[in-house]
Amino acid sequence: AQKITQTQPGMFVQEKEAVTLDCTYDTSDPSYGLFWYKQPSSGEMIFLIYQGSYDQQNATEGRYSLNFQKARKSANLVISASQLGDSAMYFCAMRETSGSARQLTFGSGTQLTVLP
Amino acid sequence: GAGVSQSPRYKVAKRGQDVALRCDPISGHVSLFWYQQALGQGPEFLTYFQNEAQLDKSGLPSDRFFAERPEGSVSTLKIQRTQQEDSAVYLCASSSGPGDGYTFGSGTRLTVV
Repeated sequence: AQKITQTQPGMFVQEKEAVTLDCTYDTSDPSYGLFWYKQPSSGEMIFLIYQGSYDQQNATEGRYSLNFQKARKSANLVISASQLGDSAMYFCAMRETSGSARQLTFGSGTQLTVLP
Repeated sequence: GAGVSQSPRYKVAKRGQDVALRCDPISGHVSLFWYQQALGQGPEFLTYFQNEAQLDKSGLPSDRFFAERPEGSVSTLKIQRTQQEDSAVYLCASSSGPGDGYTFGSGTRLTVV
């Protein structure tokens, strides 16, 4: 079963506007972490933001915020004031922390294009 | 070093050839991960090291894939008798501990012809 689902293969946004990238997850582990990464065409995975399952508040990092809805098992990324440099592939990922596994499980990604 | 370094950046191999991909993690990072990323897909976990110990190799797709980290720093992912389906970007990530964030390298793009 898919642990991380990103239903938007591609998204377009006008420069300076906000955009929401969707992510839903599936886990029975009560302790987990959710990550968002940006992957430009150069290939490197750039960490954006992290949300722990027990965190009371939604995570924010500059123009990035994570809309965490635990009951719905969703962790959407909101990018405010989009810039042309935000055009890239965006991945949602999860790490389950109760067991021995330490790896991230990734979704299939969303290709974001920022239009001038 | 300042980041995770992977080499070579690009590799073209003839089908049946053996290849070795190198990952140089951030100095002092205990945990090291290898991922395989097919074109247009998210990375898929291959294997995980804590220091020199390979704690999880459940993601290795076949016994043609082998990874090592003999001194707990540099790691090598070896693929024997490469097949076309092995064509992908191979990403390495390191972390200072099991509960910490991950830093990824730029990857090695392997093309098997």
